[in-house]
Amino acid sequence: AQSVTQLGSHVSVSEGALVLLRCNYSSSVPPYLFWYVQYPNQGLQLLLKYTSAATLVKGINGFEAEFKKSETSFHLTKPSAHMSDAAEYFCAVSVGRFGNEKLTFGTGTRLTIIP
Amino acid sequence: GAGVSQSPSNKVTEKGKDVELRCDPISGHTALYWYRQRLGQGLEFLIYFQGNSAPDKSGLPSDRFSAERTGESVSTLTIQRTQQEDSAVYLCASSRPLAGTYNEQFFGPGTRLTVL
Repeated sequence: AQSVTQLGSHVSVSEGALVLLRCNYSSSVPPYLFWYVQYPNQGLQLLLKYTSAATLVKGINGFEAEFKKSETSFHLTKPSAHMSDAAEYFCAVSVGRFGNEKLTFGTGTRLTIIP
Repeated sequence: GAGVSQSPSNKVTEKGKDVELRCDPISGHTALYWYRQRLGQGLEFLIYFQGNSAPDKSGLPSDRFSAERTGESVSTLTIQRTQQEDSAVYLCASSRPLAGTYNEQFFGPGTRLTVL
């Protein structure tokens, strides 16, 4: 079975600083990996996805993530944090056919931006 | 077009009562998923419908939980004899699977269930 571990349930960064949210996965087969963002009082929104193409994946709002098989990681980064990035971020893995099966989520990381 | 909608947005019930949660997927989306998000935890998969195939019920936590889907439209998640540990946000997602490619799951806003 697959699983996801997100290190740090809360992360605080200053506006303009680097954002780094960590995600490690466990899967016996090549995974599909995702980052979702949940803004306050809103639904989940897909930020970016890895589906076995390029290992460096660019998403919306300036975020990107790199798939590192040797480290079983898929960390999310953004060079310069903006106040609007404050939200909860979830890493997820799927091993279903074409990634269309159920998603297994991490416990989430709440990102706070310090003015 | 319209996104995934869920109703009600909030539901407060007493322990032991039955509740029904509704999900309207995006039109044309043949796949539908239910997830649960308990406070301080990640989302847990509950059940997955894909077209006319038998649903994947492997995530349902107990026989008090059941879900139905009419064709490729509305789905209802029913929780019988609710318990306090059922309190959570229940999220529905839909996708339009196409062969050979990943298809994004679009999430609804969720139903917040509180069992007193």
